[in-house]
Amino acid sequence: EPEVTQTPSHQVTQMGQEVILRCVPISNHLYFYWYRQILGQKVEFLVSFYNNEISEKSEIFDDQFSVERPDGSNFTLKIRSTKLEDSAMYFCASSEGGRREEKLFFGSGTQLSVL
Amino acid sequence: QKEVEQDPGPLSVPEGAIVSLNCTYSNSAFQYFMWYRQYSRKGPELLMYTYSSGNKEDGRFTAQVDKSSKYISLFIRDSQPSDSATYLCAMSDVKTDSWGKLQFGAGTQVVVTP
Repeated sequence: EPEVTQTPSHQVTQMGQEVILRCVPISNHLYFYWYRQILGQKVEFLVSFYNNEISEKSEIFDDQFSVERPDGSNFTLKIRSTKLEDSAMYFCASSEGGRREEKLFFGSGTQLSVL
Repeated sequence: QKEVEQDPGPLSVPEGAIVSLNCTYSNSAFQYFMWYRQYSRKGPELLMYTYSSGNKEDGRFTAQVDKSSKYISLFIRDSQPSDSATYLCAMSDVKTDSWGKLQFGAGTQVVVTP
């Protein structure tokens, strides 16, 4: 079965540094998402992206966050100046279309540790 | 009150038993209900999808939605050790313009012992 690929699997950074988390969605998918899960907490929606623009974002997704589809295959999440509280597992997901019953395929996640 | 509540467990059952999982929610606008399975160090994987109230069956899995009680359930029949995972409920309302903005429960850890 096709899968969403995320790199790196682990990322350690110093507070205040910029990080870029990378994702390769499934090739024929058009909708892309980022979620995060702080240790011991719920999976939380960050942002959805379609047609090269943000469709919706949560309150968490402030000016420190940005997303980009720099080419035909990659989807990235950038955190400009990381904070300790940004430490979490970040999941990328994609879906073929935007219909309500569409299945979201999640990647295995990038564990971000901010020191 | 939290929007989606789910007992974190762990829930330990013997192989072959029925696993019963549930979530409650407070937002009456939720219309789309899902159950995801998450293995350790993996992303969530969709198991069941239900729109509005009712039951849905898929193999050993049955999902139930009771909107009047704001309560959803997942039953796993003839449980196997390979069913050991964390099960997450997730919901979406009709107001959001973007499909894919899901509200997750905290997840219930299930352990099926041989």
